Amino acid sequence: KQEVTQIPAALSVPEGENLVLNCSFTDSAIYNLQWFRQDPGKGLTSLLLIQSSQREQTSGRLNASLDKSSGRSTLYIAASQPGDSATYLCAVRTQRDSKLTFGKGITLSVRP
Amino acid sequence: SAVISQKPSRDICQRGTSLTIQCQVDSQVTMMFWYRQQPGQSLTLIATANQGSEATYESGFVIDKFPISRPNLTFSTLTVSNMSPEDSSIYLCSVGEQFFGPGTRLTVL
Repeated sequence: KQEVTQIPAALSVPEGENLVLNCSFTDSAIYNLQWFRQDPGKGLTSLLLIQSSQREQTSGRLNASLDKSSGRSTLYIAASQPGDSATYLCAVRTQRDSKLTFGKGITLSVRP
Repeated sequence: SAVISQKPSRDICQRGTSLTIQCQVDSQVTMMFWYRQQPGQSLTLIATANQGSEATYESGFVIDKFPISRPNLTFSTLTVSNMSPEDSSIYLCSVGEQFFGPGTRLTVL
């Protein structure tokens, strides 16, 4: 059974800092991996989708990398802003059952 | 992309009652997904709803507890039946498991 782990559960950084959020998964046979942002009352927003054949994806200040063989992904946020404060979820779609498995998320707080 | 709305956005309910959550999509879609997010836990898929057929439930979820309707290609409902405090969660609908509604925050007393 696929397990997705995100550590730490919460993170607080000063504005302007570059930061890395980590995600690990146990079954490396995946179709893709997604990073979502969750804001209270607004549901989930898909930030980046990385196919299993890709190593990274970039969108603005966000860069997500995928190392399938080691079961790891990172979300890099450059020059963090208070508006980046949210919970960031990692989700993988496993080949074995085509299911989407989520991590518990990392709650990020960016201090002005 | 898809714009998804849910009603209600939140509710506080008494034990033993039922609540029906509505999900509306701005375009026609074949499959809609219902997820649950318990406090401090990851999102868990409850069921997949196809228009014109019965929903497919994941392990640990049953139709008697979470009946789902899918009357057309833009709308679905999830009912949480005979609620207990353990049902207190955020319930989200999804299209393509890439677009998610804003969620319904349910508290059961």
